[in-house]
Amino acid sequence: DQQVKQNSPSLSVQEGRISILNCDYTNSMFDYFLWYKKYPAEGPTFLISISSIKDKNEDGRFTVFLNKSAKHLSLHIVPSQPGDSAVYFCAASSSHTGNQFYFGTGTSLTVIP
Amino acid sequence: NAGVMQNPRHLVRRRGQEARLRCSPMKGHSHVYWYRQLPEEGLKFMVYLQKENIIDESGMPKERFSAEFPKEGPSILRIQQVVRGDSAAYFCASSPDRRVEAFFGQGTRLTVV
Repeated sequence: DQQVKQNSPSLSVQEGRISILNCDYTNSMFDYFLWYKKYPAEGPTFLISISSIKDKNEDGRFTVFLNKSAKHLSLHIVPSQPGDSAVYFCAASSSHTGNQFYFGTGTSLTVIP
Repeated sequence: NAGVMQNPRHLVRRRGQEARLRCSPMKGHSHVYWYRQLPEEGLKFMVYLQKENIIDESGMPKERFSAEFPKEGPSILRIQQVVRGDSAAYFCASSPDRRVEAFFGQGTRLTVV
């Protein structure tokens, strides 16, 4: 049962443009969301998080938007850089049902120079 | 401050042998999580431990798998009588508290031949 879904396995974007990565979840008890970035043969690296009491969180070129009614979050990268090319995972957790993070299957982003 | 350390990075076992994967969390982190990534899939939660206690093992297979996080020393994920289907990347993550982002190690790639 995939509670966190990333329906786009891959995305290609031109350098300098905006990258938008999407994530949907099914469990309405999720109240904390994170994005991780992963390079091949390495562990995931934390990027940015958002609590359900907010609808936006910004950190430099990275912004995460949360739409609770739609159970949808997105990661915006502006401007995209070739070094951003990696697999991006969204993850969610619930303070009610436990502290484990449920991960999506990832979106592979390629930024074309 | 060293990051999350996992060893070995690569482990080859024959069917029926035991695999022991080690994880040293970041200094000051008492919460440890183990995840498994099968080929072409996302990260699947296995177990969440806090010093000497298993908090949530809902993602662990009922047989052959066990985990511990002793008062002294690293966390250990143990797989007995390995089968080919156990071949995967196993990631460990740690956090200082339960409602903050977790930091991941580089993973152990287990190959069962």
